[in-house]
Amino acid sequence: AQSVSQHNHHVILSEAASLELGCNYSYGGTVNLFWYVQYPGQHLQLLLKYFSGDPLVKGIKGFEAEFIKSKFSFNLRKPSVQWSDTAEYFCAVKPGNTGKLIFGQGTTLQVKP
Amino acid sequence: DTAVSQTPKYLVTQMGNDKSIKCEQNLGHDTMYWYKQDSKKFLKIMFSYNNKELIINETVPNRFSPKSPDKAHLNLHINSLELGDSAVYFCASSHHDTSKSPLHFGNGTRLTVT
Repeated sequence: AQSVSQHNHHVILSEAASLELGCNYSYGGTVNLFWYVQYPGQHLQLLLKYFSGDPLVKGIKGFEAEFIKSKFSFNLRKPSVQWSDTAEYFCAVKPGNTGKLIFGQGTTLQVKP
Repeated sequence: DTAVSQTPKYLVTQMGNDKSIKCEQNLGHDTMYWYKQDSKKFLKIMFSYNNKELIINETVPNRFSPKSPDKAHLNLHINSLELGDSAVYFCASSHHDTSKSPLHFGNGTRLTVT
């Protein structure tokens, strides 16, 4: 079965620290990849997406992600986090020609001022 | 101005009751979804409709019945509520180009069953 795995469940960083959140998926065919963010008490918002082309994609608020096909990974990065980045981060995959978006279990990021 | 709106935002009810959650989108999308987010924040798809037609129906109890009167609305009716139904339910919408269209989410409905 298709699945998405986020390795870090809870990450605590100080402001200005660098961030990398891991995401791996299990699907051998074509995939479209997404990162969503959920700020406390809010709905999910799209951070960035990858369909094809340059495997390094840039999103909003200084986030970027790199697709490594050989590793089935799509890790999220930010060079310098801010307190306002405190949120839940969800990696998600749409396999092949399906409309079904499959989420990882999420990573709670807590940034200390 | 809200793109995907759900009502109510909070719903507290007793076991055995029947309740509905409404969802509307003004993005012109033709596909709508219901997701359930459990207490551990895990998000799982429940249903998806495209132009009023059911296209995804995950393993969800029959007590849950989605209804789509038109492509801008997708409501969720739940019969005989159980404690385990307590969760946050998110509505979402997208264009139906299968795989590339990102989902736009509503603000969620926090359902508490006592």
